[in-house]
Formats: sequence, C-alpha cells, structure tokens
Amino acid sequence: RKEVEQDPGPFNVPEGATVAFNCTYSNSASQSFFWYRQDCRKEPKLLMSVYSSGNEDGRFTAQLNRASQYISLLIRDSKLSDSATYLCVVRGNNAGNMLTFGGGTRLMVKP
Amino acid sequence: ETGVTQSPTHLIKTRGQQVTLRCSSQSGHNTVSWYQQALGQGPQFIFQYYREEENGRGNFPPRFSGLQFPNYSSELNVNALELDDSALYLCASSLGQNQETQYFGPGTRLLVL
Repeated sequence: RKEVEQDPGPFNVPEGATVAFNCTYSNSASQSFFWYRQDCRKEPKLLMSVYSSGNEDGRFTAQLNRASQYISLLIRDSKLSDSATYLCVVRGNNAGNMLTFGGGTRLMVKP
Repeated sequence: ETGVTQSPTHLIKTRGQQVTLRCSSQSGHNTVSWYQQALGQGPQFIFQYYREEENGRGNFPPRFSGLQFPNYSSELNVNALELDDSALYLCASSLGQNQETQYFGPGTRLLVL
C-alpha cells in the first residue's frame, strides 16, 4: 500500500465547475499536510498547507480529517489556468524533513 | 521563481555510466533535499543535506550519493546508471531542517538509454 494515495484522474470539468480531490495517508504519525500544484514539465509549487480546522485561500478549500487519515481539496469556480496535477503531500515526524508525495491527480478544465 | 537553480536541465546517459547533478539553493537556505520523479508519479525523497551533513535518506540504494558544499549548494551523484533511473530529479531548499516550506528547483530531466 502506498503511503499517500490519490485518484490519478484525469478529472475533466467545464469552466466554473466545482471539483474535489481526495487523498488518504497511511502514517498516523504524520505531522504536516500540504497540497502542491505541478504544471506539465515543471516543478511542484506549494498551493496551500492543510490544517485540522480546515482552511481556505480564495477559491481553494482544504480539509484534514486526522481520525480517518484523509485530506481533501475543493476548487470552486474552476478556471482554465487551474489545469494541472495536484499533489497531496504529507510530512512525518522524522529526520530529514521528508515530504511524502501522492501520485497526483490530474485536472483538466475545459472552456 | 523560487531562486533554486539546477543544472543541467536535460541529460542523456547510457546504462552503467555515472552522472552528477547540481543544485544551488535559495539565498540563505542551508538545507537541500533531493527527489526523484518518474513519469506519471509523485516525487520520491532521496536524501537531505543540512549544513553539509546527510540528514535523512529515503529508500534508494547506495549508488545514489550526494554532497553539500559550504555555500549550501549540493550535488547528487548516481553511479552504475540503470534504465529505471530515467526521471526528473528535483532539488528543494529550505531554511533549517525542520522548516516545512521547501522551494523546488526546475529539475534535471535524465534519460538513461
């Protein structure tokens, strides 16, 4: 079983749609949680951190459920520019500040 | 941009050869982490260097080795290249070993034939 699992997609949605991605993680000792965005042939970039209380950044809302070891990302009013791969990322309580990435979920927003 | 640079951008090698990839961290950052990203997968942690010492390692064989220099730039060396080593190699810099925010460079795309 992978440490961080995501549906690879692709999710094909029209502009303006609301789309949700889910992610599960296996290490209950994980300390920090993130969503990264990766455009085609580019490096990953931090989209947002995820907190237990849930947090929002504009059209993006992230939720964490520690009991179920489940993380979600909701994108409202999708834009063409949101087309990318979204990586769920977990950091454990270990040396090396190691980030464990999921395989990514590909989103394609169509006009 | 993140201020993290990597060289070369692309590289083609043959099986059995050795390769050295380079990373310059963001100004002021003393920690560099290296990741391997195979096509269609998420990045996998190789190792991290903090103040010139290896500070954590993922599930990679010893033929993957690294260095960090006094100016905090870093090298990733891979010996005895295998076809499966073909991937995007990413480095990420951060300030301190426990800082959560890591800034990724653009990566080096390695093809092993």
